[in-house]
Amino acid sequence: EVQLLESGGGLVQPGGSLRLSCAASGFSFSYYAMTWVRQAPGKGLEWVSAISGGGGTTYYADSAKGRFTISRDNSKNTFYLQMNSLRAEDTAVYYCARAEYGDYSAFDIWGQGTMVTVSS
Amino acid sequence: QSVLTQPPSASGTPGQRVTISCSGSSSNIGSNTVNWYQQLPGTAPKLLIYSNNQRPSGVPDRFSGSKSGTSASLDISGLQSEDEADYYCAGWDDSLNGVVFGGGTKLTAL
Repeated sequence: EVQLLESGGGLVQPGGSLRLSCAASGFSFSYYAMTWVRQAPGKGLEWVSAISGGGGTTYYADSAKGRFTISRDNSKNTFYLQMNSLRAEDTAVYYCARAEYGDYSAFDIWGQGTMVTVSS
Repeated sequence: QSVLTQPPSASGTPGQRVTISCSGSSSNIGSNTVNWYQQLPGTAPKLLIYSNNQRPSGVPDRFSGSKSGTSASLDISGLQSEDEADYYCAGWDDSLNGVVFGGGTKLTAL
């Protein structure tokens, strides 16, 4: 079964750091670009970051640039989002997703989401 | 303020046809394909339409998409109560060098 499973969410103080992981199974992971999308409580979807299949190309939303780093380990079928200098406005459910059809904005497989709460 | 503009809400009676619009610019919809997502309450989004008008396997054919210029639309023919959800358009933006989403449209079946 094709599946994505996030982990690493939790409560962190403003200015703190957190690393999210997304473990993939059921497909040839290294063939696909992967992405992170977040959703603040009661709000819409916001794209955060994406990484190419080989890991050599990365993209970030302005809100993530300079603070977040996306990476992947194809030997472990896992990719990550390292989040530093966290702010209250980063509080959201973070989803990992697979980009399909050669389109970085077409996400055909999604994880269940992991909650990140930034609060003192 | 989202880069792609959607109406915040839409509604229709069961069996009715409903259209949700998505307006962008030359750097996103005008030059790239549009995708649509359905998000049921408390669940992860689901890809509904890709490449402007293609349905992934398993998506009912009463969902259809189209694009013209810098705007796109999602049509739902024969609205059903289980279609009540939030709908989002998305695409790549060449100027921002990233993915942009619409603000979402909450669809209500009256």
